[in-house]
Amino acid sequence: DAKTTQPPSMDCAEGRAANLPCNHSTISGNEYVYWYRQIHSQGPQYIIHGLKNNETNEMASLIITEDRKSSTLILPHATLRDTAVYYCIVRAYNQGGKLIFGQGTELSVKP
Amino acid sequence: GAGVSQTPSNKVTEKGKYVELRCDPISGHTALYWYRQSLGQGPEFLIYFQGTGAADDSGLPNDRFFAVRPEGSVSTLKIQRTERGDSAVYLCASSPQAGFSYNEQFFGPGTRLTVL
Repeated sequence: DAKTTQPPSMDCAEGRAANLPCNHSTISGNEYVYWYRQIHSQGPQYIIHGLKNNETNEMASLIITEDRKSSTLILPHATLRDTAVYYCIVRAYNQGGKLIFGQGTELSVKP
Repeated sequence: GAGVSQTPSNKVTEKGKYVELRCDPISGHTALYWYRQSLGQGPEFLIYFQGTGAADDSGLPNDRFFAVRPEGSVSTLKIQRTERGDSAVYLCASSPQAGFSYNEQFFGPGTRLTVL
């Protein structure tokens, strides 16, 4: 079973920041938070991952609370092409193998 | 560079038939994963290979499903005696390695299997 909880859907206006929350209250000390997204009819795409510090790359920022029980993925200037299902996944960094996907959040970016 | 490719993109078959789905991973990636995704659901893990051997096949639903990767690159997912419930998108992913590594998995576009 997925170890994360996400809202099923969210809307965002084009050009505004999209903030996608994820709860992972049972996360272990050696588990990282990963985010993937899946655009319609495509395979999932890696976005970002982090342990406890905030992380930023060219796609997004990841904010993890101090107690690590929740996190937020931030798309700073959402575009229509960011419309997708976003998945938050927790797993140990040194654990090879499977990703356990939950239902994810369906983000709709509207003009 | 070339990403993960999967063939065919679509496969329609009849109940009871045998099907093979192929995955070509990114060159040099030693880890290869199979997932399947039913409509409206997140991808569900099936099996993963490290090199030629199956390191974890705990997600295969039953013995009708089998996967091979004989030379450590291309993999084939084989489904015997297909059932209507096998209809789904079958996704393949690869990563540079599956152990103590940066765990980004690169996914292919999937094969949509329809069992009539």
